[in-house]
Amino acid sequence: GNSVTQMEGPVTLSEEAFLTINCTYTATGYPSLFWYVQYPGEGLQLLLKATKADDKGSNKGFEATYRKETTSFHLEKGSVQVSDSAVYFCALISSNDYKLSFGAGTTVTVRA
Amino acid sequence: KAGVTQTPRYLIKTRGQQVTLSCSPISGHRSVSWYQQTPGQGLQFLFEYFSETQRNKGNFPGRFSGRQFSNSRSEMNVSTLELGDSALYLCASSTPTGDITDTQYFGPGTRLTVL
Repeated sequence: GNSVTQMEGPVTLSEEAFLTINCTYTATGYPSLFWYVQYPGEGLQLLLKATKADDKGSNKGFEATYRKETTSFHLEKGSVQVSDSAVYFCALISSNDYKLSFGAGTTVTVRA
Repeated sequence: KAGVTQTPRYLIKTRGQQVTLSCSPISGHRSVSWYQQTPGQGLQFLFEYFSETQRNKGNFPGRFSGRQFSNSRSEMNVSTLELGDSALYLCASSTPTGDITDTQYFGPGTRLTVL
């Protein structure tokens, strides 16, 4: 079946530091890939997505590139802010499986 | 456009009781999925409905059930509650077309506490 593996953290950074969260996946077919973010006490918000190989998703300064050859979808941001403190989830869905498969989530804390 | 709404936002129940949670999808969306989130197990898929048909079900006992109405609103029911059912239950809506790879948009969740 489909699965997602991401670094679990926690990750603690200073403001303006560079953030990378690694995500790799196993899937049949050609999945769509997502990063969701969860702020304290809230539901999940879509951060970005990519639907085919070499697509780059981007939003709010975050970027991730769909790498089929390495089955990866790493999340990056060049300069984090305190407001980026949240839990980040990598996820995938494929046409043969009517569900999102999530990674374990990575807790990111940004200090001023 | 209004987002996904879930009611109630918080629930406290005791073991053995049953509970019904409600989800209203984004207007025009016909797919509704349910997920359970716990600190130990993370996000786990419960079931997905499209146009009143269940298309997939996760590995949960039969105490967990759901349904979808003709207006795409969905409910999930948990009978004979156990302490381990305490969790955040998230609903997500997606796709007017049935394409399961369309983005899923999540509601704020219902926090269920079982005492």
